[in-house]
Amino acid sequence: DTGVSQNPRHKITKRGQNVTFRCDPISEHNRLYWYRQTLGQGPEFLTYFQNEAQLEKSRLLSDRFSAERPKGSFSTLEIQRTEQGDSAMYLCASSGTGGSWNEQFFGPGTRLTVL
Amino acid sequence: AQKVTQAQTEISVVEKEDVTLDCVYETRDTTYYLFWYKQPPSGELVFLIRRNSFDEQNEISGRYSWNFQKSTSSFNFTITASQVVDSAVYFCALSEMNSGNTPLVFGKGTRLSVIA
Repeated sequence: DTGVSQNPRHKITKRGQNVTFRCDPISEHNRLYWYRQTLGQGPEFLTYFQNEAQLEKSRLLSDRFSAERPKGSFSTLEIQRTEQGDSAMYLCASSGTGGSWNEQFFGPGTRLTVL
Repeated sequence: AQKVTQAQTEISVVEKEDVTLDCVYETRDTTYYLFWYKQPPSGELVFLIRRNSFDEQNEISGRYSWNFQKSTSSFNFTITASQVVDSAVYFCALSEMNSGNTPLVFGKGTRLSVIA
């Protein structure tokens, strides 16, 4: 039984470069969420998908950020023209949708450092 | 708008002491869920408990207990006889209750250090 996986676990990049992160949810889960966590803060919601449809985007998700889930399985989060303020832990979570509530299972996160 | 406040930024206790982590929330929704998550040094968020707004019964699970009071919009978490392994950052979170899941709104967390 595998949980949510994220790659890479760590990414160091220079300001202005583009980066892409990948999230593989638990296989039977059709909802996938992206959160961002900066140092000393709680996770903040960025966006989420049900299957391949992107259902909601936070205002935190500037036009430099784009997320996809092309076949309703894995998801990618791309940040273009990175800025130092993008340095954070990017967390992915997945859940099912049967019943009144389905627990969100979190991955280990991708830590981004922008120099 | 939804908001979760964890006023205690850091708490330090000696092993075997009891400790309570406070959580106060704001929401306009009449139905909602409340959660506690643990984030150990490894970084992965671990789900501890979910409560719905209909159920104000307190809950106990081993050394953990939760006190939900709708009248004060609080959902406090108590660890009895704390252990070093309890050292982590603890987050309280809130979500709407509608069909299926909705994104979680987290507090800023409380860092608990349990000293042997």
